[in-house]
Amino acid sequence: DTAVSQTPKYLVTQMGNDKSIKCEQNLGHDTMYWYKQDSKKFLKIMFSYNNKELIINETVPNRFSPKSPDKAHLNLHINSLELGDSAVYFCASSFDRGYEQFFGPGTRLTVL
Amino acid sequence: KNEVEQSPQNLTAQEGEFITINCSYSVGISALHWLQQHPGGGIVSLFMLSSGKKKHGRLIATINIQEKHSSLHITASHPRDSAVYICAVTSGSRLTFGEGTQLTVNP
Repeated sequence: DTAVSQTPKYLVTQMGNDKSIKCEQNLGHDTMYWYKQDSKKFLKIMFSYNNKELIINETVPNRFSPKSPDKAHLNLHINSLELGDSAVYFCASSFDRGYEQFFGPGTRLTVL
Repeated sequence: KNEVEQSPQNLTAQEGEFITINCSYSVGISALHWLQQHPGGGIVSLFMLSSGKKKHGRLIATINIQEKHSSLHITASHPRDSAVYICAVTSGSRLTFGEGTQLTVNP
């Protein structure tokens, strides 16, 4: 069974479109995260939710909106996509804040 | 300057060599993580430590809290160890990453 899953794995879209990336974890963890990995492979946290409550919201354009319908899911919705949004987005989860994180396989977003 | 600095950025070794990757950080932390990212892109957590030393197979991670420094050692390196190794620190709820070390182990 996949612990942290993301869909889709690849996403190619045009500038200006709105898209969503879904993340699900079956580990029973309370905390979930979204990270962005840029072309230079540098990872940066975007958001973190703990028990469906937003606890980290880094300097991210408000075109990005996370949604946590329940503890097992944290989806990322992106409005008005721009070229600079092209990256690999990783979802992760942990038992609680500060614990070891388990990563999803990543979603490669390409904006044309 | 990044809060988490890794060295070297790139490392090439011959199979069997002992490898060390270093990580220095400048903030107060509750834990330090070593992650591995394979060429396929998946990220795996290798270690999470807040003091001392941990060992898993051929991998050893150490941390010196006073000096704000950690090392990841790989003994008897193998081509399958080729990957990017990433140091990250937990400060509060935040996880801040180093830029990674690209390791290539040649047969």
